[in-house]
Amino acid sequence: SQQGEEDPQALSIQEGENATMNCSYKTSINNLQWYRQNSGRGLVHLILIRSNEREKHSGRLRVTLDTSKKSSSLLITASRAADTASYFCATGWGTGFQKLVFGTGTRLLVSP
Amino acid sequence: DTEVTQTPKHLVMGMTNKKSLKCEQHMGHRAMYWYKQKAKKPPELMFVYSYEKLSINESVPSRFSPECPNSSLLNLHLHALQPEDSALYLCASSQGYDRESEQFFGPGTRLTVL
Repeated sequence: SQQGEEDPQALSIQEGENATMNCSYKTSINNLQWYRQNSGRGLVHLILIRSNEREKHSGRLRVTLDTSKKSSSLLITASRAADTASYFCATGWGTGFQKLVFGTGTRLLVSP
Repeated sequence: DTEVTQTPKHLVMGMTNKKSLKCEQHMGHRAMYWYKQKAKKPPELMFVYSYEKLSINESVPSRFSPECPNSSLLNLHLHALQPEDSALYLCASSQGYDRESEQFFGPGTRLTVL
């Protein structure tokens, strides 16, 4: 299976704290993307990092990618209750047409 | 318009019923996807259409039949489903063959098969 593994499976923090989620994957990739899913809803794209990039920022999000270790991390700084959601990494791979394979996900709970 | 819409939001059907899920986007995207997501699991790719042609079928049972009538519309026809097919069905679209395409997701249809 191409599926990535994420850890932790669940994370519970207080507002204002930082949240870090990790993703490991198995094969060579074109890029790695992070998505957020609020309970039982559609996914929202957060950030994409290319295979030749090491770090990327977007607002309160910081993503790192280590292709030698086949791993990525997502850091959310100064978390808010509204950040409560499931977070999935998704690896993009394939030639000619990109397929996305989603990781197992991290459920984040941010308490006020 | 940066939205992918899906109808219905909820669907309950018996194992002998025939129903259809609908997905629509008006972003000019040329690739559209169907995913299936079971509770507390990640989405799993079912089908990909690119330029209105079926590009990828992830060995999905024939009781699921996709259709892409035009570049904005994607249907998933359901027939003789099993209770284990109960899940959230997500539609997505992306710009096209680009290796760095972001996918835009609809809110999903929650399907219950009795």
